[in-house]
Amino acid sequence: EAGVTQFPSHSVIEKGQTVTLRCDPISGHDNLYWYRRVMGKEIKFLLHFVKESKQDESGMPNNRFLAERTGGTYSTLKVQPAELEDSGVYFCASSQAGQEDTQYFGPGTRLTVL
Amino acid sequence: AQKVTQAQTEISVVEKEDVTLDCVYETRDTTYYLFWYKQPPSGELVFLIRRNSFDEQNEISGRYSWNFQKSTSSFNFTITASQVVDSAVYFCALSEAYSGAGSYQLTFGKGTKLSVIP
Repeated sequence: EAGVTQFPSHSVIEKGQTVTLRCDPISGHDNLYWYRRVMGKEIKFLLHFVKESKQDESGMPNNRFLAERTGGTYSTLKVQPAELEDSGVYFCASSQAGQEDTQYFGPGTRLTVL
Repeated sequence: AQKVTQAQTEISVVEKEDVTLDCVYETRDTTYYLFWYKQPPSGELVFLIRRNSFDEQNEISGRYSWNFQKSTSSFNFTITASQVVDSAVYFCALSEAYSGAGSYQLTFGKGTKLSVIP
């Protein structure tokens, strides 16, 4: 069974540009989470989808971040316009219904904003 | 609010030594879950264990063991007879069973980087 996949693995952009990160959860997992680790800090929760609905977006830092999960399958996280402080590793995780807290993570996307 | 503290930033051990990674947590909930994840150099977070707050039994899985003590709010992780392949960053995490927003977000510690020297 394929695990959580994320694309791209690395992205380097300039301040002010737009970047879109993609996450494909484990097949059949209704729950999809985004987390972020900024250099030297803890991994922080961003938001949680249940199927295509946003269950909790309390961790989204500001309105430059937009997450979608159309059709309840893969998800995208767009940063527009990117700022220097957005640099970090963005992790996606998924979990199945009934075991929401047992989350399986992808390899992350390393975003560098110059 | 919940908090997870991993006081050890980096640990180095010689192969075959035992090593314990510390994790202390704070939560106001009586029902919660604790986790350990391993992050090898490839970058992904690998799930190791989930422990329910009502189950204080220690768990052993091969060379890995976990000691959960509610009295000290600790969930420590021991690797016995460490191997070079154990070199990774290890994260402890906490999930309150049901947060107010209906989410199961994980709260992570900063991680402990373990280096096992051959």
